[in-house]
Amino acid sequence: GAVVSQHPSWVICKSGTSVKIECRSLDFQATTMFWYRQFPKQSLMLMATSNEGSKATYEQGVEKDKFLINHASLTLSTLTVTSAHPEDSSFYICSAFRDTSYEQYFGPGTRLTVT
Amino acid sequence: AQTVTQSQPEMSVQEAETVTLSCTYDTSESDYYLFWYKQPPSRQMILVIRQEAYKQQNATENRFSVNFQKAAKSFSLKISDSQLGDAAMYFCAFIGNQAGTALIFGKGTTLSVSS
Repeated sequence: GAVVSQHPSWVICKSGTSVKIECRSLDFQATTMFWYRQFPKQSLMLMATSNEGSKATYEQGVEKDKFLINHASLTLSTLTVTSAHPEDSSFYICSAFRDTSYEQYFGPGTRLTVT
Repeated sequence: AQTVTQSQPEMSVQEAETVTLSCTYDTSESDYYLFWYKQPPSRQMILVIRQEAYKQQNATENRFSVNFQKAAKSFSLKISDSQLGDAAMYFCAFIGNQAGTALIFGKGTTLSVSS
């Protein structure tokens, strides 16, 4: 099956700093990737849709200046949390859409802790 | 707008028994895809089963099967011969026929399995 990786799997950062999370599709090209946020025991909340070579589309209520998304290649999308605060602590999951199978493949997620 | 509803926040089952998780959805589209995902404690999203709306036959994957009722907009998951490893959070998800759109998730059902 298709593989999507995320790096790092866990990051701790201090309040006010920025952190970058990478999402890579390892064995297929993905023109579209998605970024989700998940709180404990809750569902996945879509943050933004990332399209290769164009600006991301953010969901209502998601601050695009705080959560910077870049999809510079067909296999890599990045999410940068700028000026992180403790309330940004969460589990972030990316997924990549594969056209040939019309399926989304999920990365293993990144746990962000802001102290 | 499409919505996905899972009305059972928690379910429990004994090993070797059968359990059914409920899911209903709302859409005006006639062609779409439905999924059940499993999220174990590792939090990696795992695709359990997929159903194309144009197919009348219910999808089956080993011990997992669905009861897809298109007119009723119902998509339940049956797990037969439950195993301890089935314990996880299960999400029902919907995606329309337009490529590159995000999955719409239900709130999830936490399944516990006892020996």
